Amino acid sequence: DQQVKQNSPSLSVQEGRISILNCDYTNSMFDYFLWYKKYPAEGPTFLISISSIKDKNEDGRFTVFLNKSAKHLSLHIVPSQPGDSAVYFCASNLQGAQKLVFGQGTRLTINP
Amino acid sequence: NAGVMQNPRHLVRRRGQEARLRCSPMKGHSHVYWYRQLPEEGLKFMVYLQKENIIDESGMPKERFSAEFPKEGPSILRIQQVVRGDSAAYFCASSRDRLNQETQYFGPGTRLLVL
Repeated sequence: DQQVKQNSPSLSVQEGRISILNCDYTNSMFDYFLWYKKYPAEGPTFLISISSIKDKNEDGRFTVFLNKSAKHLSLHIVPSQPGDSAVYFCASNLQGAQKLVFGQGTRLTINP
Repeated sequence: NAGVMQNPRHLVRRRGQEARLRCSPMKGHSHVYWYRQLPEEGLKFMVYLQKENIIDESGMPKERFSAEFPKEGPSILRIQQVVRGDSAAYFCASSRDRLNQETQYFGPGTRLLVL
């Protein structure tokens, strides 16, 4: 049962443009959402998070949007840079639970 | 660099052998989490430990897998009698406090290959 889904396995974006990565979830009890970035042969690195009581959180070039009614969140990266090329995972956790549920990941490629 | 340390980075075992994966959390972190990533999949939660206690092992296979986080030393994920399906990347993460207030910081992972 995939509770967190990233339906796009890959995404290719031109340098300088906006990258939009999407994530859907099924469990309305999730109360915290995170995005991680992962390079090959490394562990995931925390990027940005959002609480379920908010609908937007911004940190520099990264903005996460949460639409609770649609059970959908997205990560916007603008402007995209070559160093942003990586696999991006969205993750969420249930209130009171101490574990993250991850999506399958989206491989982002930024073309020069 | 006081990040999460995992060793070994790569481990090759033959079927039936034991695998021991070690994780040293970040300084000041007393919460440790283990995740497994199969090829082309996301990370799957296995177990959550605090010092000397297993808090949540709902993601651990019932047999052959065990985890500990002793008072002194690293956390250990132990896989007995490994099978080919155990081949995966195993990631450890740590946090200072409960998840809702703190993010989890991940180590570089141990890539286990079972021949």
